[in-house]
Amino acid sequence: AQSVSQHNHHVILSEAASLELGCNYSYGGTVNLFWYVQYPGQHLQLLLKYFSGDPLVKGIKGFEAEFIKSKFSFNLRKPSVQWSDTAEYFCAVNFYGGSQGNLIFGKGTKLSVKP
Amino acid sequence: DTEVTQTPKHLVMGMTNKKSLKCEQHMGHRAMYWYKQKAKKPPELMFVYSYEKLSINESVPSRFSPECPNSSLLNLHLHALQPEDSALYLCASSQGQGLAKNIQYFGAGTRLSVL
Repeated sequence: AQSVSQHNHHVILSEAASLELGCNYSYGGTVNLFWYVQYPGQHLQLLLKYFSGDPLVKGIKGFEAEFIKSKFSFNLRKPSVQWSDTAEYFCAVNFYGGSQGNLIFGKGTKLSVKP
Repeated sequence: DTEVTQTPKHLVMGMTNKKSLKCEQHMGHRAMYWYKQKAKKPPELMFVYSYEKLSINESVPSRFSPECPNSSLLNLHLHALQPEDSALYLCASSQGQGLAKNIQYFGAGTRLSVL
């Protein structure tokens, strides 16, 4: 079955620390890749996406992600986190194995940034 | 504008009640989705409508009944729910389900409590 794995359940960082959240998926075919963020009490917001082309994609709020096809990975990075980055981060993948592309989410990583 | 509007924001209902959740988008998107999100879990796909036709039903119990009256509106009719159905119900929309069109934008959700 197609699946998405996020390595860390809860990450705690101090402000200005660098961030990397891991995401791996199980499928070797065509995929679209996404990172969403859910701030406390708010809705899911799209941080960035990868469809094709440059494997290093830049998103909003200083986030970036790198698609490594050989590793089936799409890790999220930010050089210097802020307290306002405290949120739940979800990796999501569209798998195009059939006629429909369902969006499958990883279990999420909770990021807590200490001021 | 990437806004998906869901009403109501909160809903409390008894197990014998009938209620409806509403979702609206004015982005011209032709695919709309219902997800269920339990606390500290990722969203789980329930239904997908593509061009106002139900294209995916992820084995959801019949006490949940979706409806897509037109391309901008999506309803979820609820009847005889169980306490375990308490969750955040998210609506999303995208241009379509095909490659390069399946960027999903989410509403804020309806937080449902079943007593």
